[in-house]
Formats: sequence, C-alpha cells, structure tokens
Amino acid sequence: KQEVTQIPAALSVPEGENLVLNCSFTDSAIYNLQWFRQDPGKGLTSLLLIQSSQREQTSGRLNASLDKSSGRSTLYIAASQPGDSATYLCAVRRDSGNTPLVFGKGTRLSVIA
Amino acid sequence: GAVVSQHPSRVICKSGTSVKIECRSLDFQATTMFWYRQFPKQSLMLMATSNEGSKATYEQGVEKDKFLINHASLTLSTLTVTSAHPEDSSFYICSAREAGNSNEKLFFGSGTQLSVL
Repeated sequence: KQEVTQIPAALSVPEGENLVLNCSFTDSAIYNLQWFRQDPGKGLTSLLLIQSSQREQTSGRLNASLDKSSGRSTLYIAASQPGDSATYLCAVRRDSGNTPLVFGKGTRLSVIA
Repeated sequence: GAVVSQHPSRVICKSGTSVKIECRSLDFQATTMFWYRQFPKQSLMLMATSNEGSKATYEQGVEKDKFLINHASLTLSTLTVTSAHPEDSSFYICSAREAGNSNEKLFFGSGTQLSVL
C-alpha cells in the first residue's frame, strides 16, 4: 500500500527566504506526482504536476523535482512571501484510469513578514 | 481548465439528520469521481470511488450504508451522509476524472465543511 510522507510537518520562515519541502513515497511505481496548496477550510489548488518520466516542473517561484527511483520529491519555493502561507500537500497516483491520488499529511508553512 | 463545482461549501446540521453534497463537472464529462474526507490536521483520505452508472467502491472502514454515493450522470455525483453524528464532522472533497483526458489530471471541488452538532 502506497504511503506518502511529508517532512517537515510545519515550517515557519521569515519573508524572503528560499525553502524546500520534502515528500517521500514508499512505492516508486507511480504514474505522476502532484503538489497542491490548501488554505484553511478551503479546497485544493494544484501547483505542479510531474509525470513519472519527468524530473522537474517549474511555475514562477515554484520548482518541483522528482526522483522516482528513490521515491522522493521536493518543492522549492524561492523568495517566500506571507501570501505563501498555507498547507502544501504532496500526492501520488499509481496509474491512470480509475486510480485516485494518495496524499501526504502536508507541510504547514508560515511565512512571517 | 476544467471546473468541478461542489455545494454546499459549509453545512451545520443536527445529529441524526442527513446531508447531501453535490459535485458537478461544469465543462467536461466526469467518468470517475473520487470522494475524500479530511479530519483536522490530517491528510485527505479516500472514502470511495464511483463510476458513472455503477455502484461505488468503498475503501475499507467506510460504511456504504452511511455514506451513499450516486453517480447517475457524467456531470453529477452526490455524497449523502445519512444519520449524521458529531464524529462525521469533517471536510469532504470530490475529485473528478475527465473522460478521454489524455494527460489524466484529476480536478477537485472546493470542498464541504460539515459540522454535526
């Protein structure tokens, strides 16, 4: 059974810092990996999706990498801003078709002005 | 991008009542809908998977008679929490798979915060 672990569980940084969020998964046979942002009491915002054949994806100040063989992904946030404060979720999908995403517990990020 | 509309966003109900949550795919056909539940500071946990026109498949530990899922059309799936109790208070969110979507991205509703008094 796939298990997704995110470290750290919580992180507090001053504004402007670069930071890295970590995600690991136990079964490396994945179809894709996705990073989401969740604000308190809200739904999910998809940030980046990496297919299993890809090594990284970039969007603005965000960069996500994938090392499928070692079961790891990182989300790099450059020049953090208070508006980045949220919970970041990592999720993997085993296959296409009728297979769901399996989520980690998330990293709660606070960026202090 | 594809939009999944989920309603209501928040509901407060008395213990023993039933609550229906709707998820509609607005501009695409959703062949598969996944229903998740999230308790405070916990991850999203899959409850069930439903395919249009078929009975839902429930995850272990999820009571099918308590959480009724209907996926009667390619644009609408509903989750009904029957005889809700305080322990059912949680954040419920749906995720839709688009028919024929080659890149196989899943689209999420905005979630429903259920509070049972």
